[in-house]
Amino acid sequence: DAKTTQPNSMESNEEEPVHLPCNHSTISGTDYIHWYRQLPSQGPEYVIHGLTSNVNNRMASLAIAEDRKSSTLILHRATLRDAAVYYCILRGSGGSNYKLTFGKGTLLTVNP
Amino acid sequence: DGGITQSPKYLFRKEGQNVTLSCEQNLNHDAMYWYRQDPGQGLRLIYYSQIVNDFQKGDIAEGYSVSREKKESFPLTVTSAQKNPTAFYLCASSNRDPGYTIYFGEGSWLTVV
Repeated sequence: DAKTTQPNSMESNEEEPVHLPCNHSTISGTDYIHWYRQLPSQGPEYVIHGLTSNVNNRMASLAIAEDRKSSTLILHRATLRDAAVYYCILRGSGGSNYKLTFGKGTLLTVNP
Repeated sequence: DGGITQSPKYLFRKEGQNVTLSCEQNLNHDAMYWYRQDPGQGLRLIYYSQIVNDFQKGDIAEGYSVSREKKESFPLTVTSAQKNPTAFYLCASSNRDPGYTIYFGEGSWLTVV
């Protein structure tokens, strides 16, 4: 079973910020939060990841709640190329944590 | 350049035949994964391997088999026991460090005719 919960779909307008939420209430102290996105008929690509502190890179920002039970991927200015399925996953280490499971993700639609 | 290569990109299979999808990586990653994706659906884990000569079943392993004889290779065989094999198949690899990025191949489309 996926360890994260995301809305099935979200919609945004071009050049507006987008906040994609992810709930992971059963996260353990050593689990990293990863975000990937997938364009149609392509393999997912890495977006961002973090452990406890908020993270920024050229693609996006990751805001992690203080209790780590939720996180938000922030696209500061959505473009048409950002339209994709976004997956939030937890990645831990050891034993069953090596089993990487993805949920259905959030389908982001960007309107021109 | 380093990366993951899946082949073939498109494959057609007759009912009752086994087919093997190739996945090769030159990233020196210990961990490799196979996922299946049906139209409009998320990724479902078929098999995964954390080290050479060892692999574990994922959530939908029935009708599939894998081997991990070399670090860089993790082929997936879709057997005739898989009742509905038509799907998009994705291979991924990474280091076992949970703070490390997961890299995906471009995927293989399998169609049963």
